[in-house]
Amino acid sequence: GAGVSQSPSNKVTEKGKDVELRCDPISGHTALYWYRQSLGQGLEFLIYFQGNSAPDKSGLPSDRFSAERTGGSVSTLTIQRTQQEDSAVYLCASSLISGVQETQYFGPGTRLLVL
Amino acid sequence: GESVGLHLPTLSVQEGDNSIINCAYSNSASDYFIWYKQESGKGPQFIIDIRSNMDKRQGQRVTVLLNKTVKHLSLQIAATQPGDSAVYFCAENMKSYIPTFGRGTSLIVHP
Repeated sequence: GAGVSQSPSNKVTEKGKDVELRCDPISGHTALYWYRQSLGQGLEFLIYFQGNSAPDKSGLPSDRFSAERTGGSVSTLTIQRTQQEDSAVYLCASSLISGVQETQYFGPGTRLLVL
Repeated sequence: GESVGLHLPTLSVQEGDNSIINCAYSNSASDYFIWYKQESGKGPQFIIDIRSNMDKRQGQRVTVLLNKTVKHLSLQIAATQPGDSAVYFCAENMKSYIPTFGRGTSLIVHP
């Protein structure tokens, strides 16, 4: 079946603009994660959705970052008033259920460049 | 291995050799560990996992070793192939649904 998809694959924007990044998880997966990966760095957790529960937003770096997940499927990560330090690869992952030993399946990422 | 600045540790091997990639994890209470492979321009891909009650686990051409005494994890790739060239990183999980990811090691396989 189809894996996790993300769009756009690349995004170049000007400082101060808002951007929206989209994630389509694997069908039937109830858990969805957003991560940020800067050059040469590990994955930085941003936000986590599990079913209809309130999302875990503990990783969001500032109030310029927000995310929503509509209908328990597609998720959108929004960055308002982008800054150059927001430039990174934004990765989405999904897993069948939430759990310590649940395998996360990653999408290809959106490469964001803020000029 | 750890790295400084933007440069990842790099392991260069010849095709056909065995590769060993190391990872030092931080939390002695972590009970689940995962190795991921990330090829250029792609998202991370699950390779193999191991629980803290195990010392070794084998997959197809890959073996993960866990040494809890020194908080060390290694990934062994047998008969390394050019298609194995990628960044490999480990993740640790401590009774949480959010793993902690390492920075990764770049594996370069020369034909």
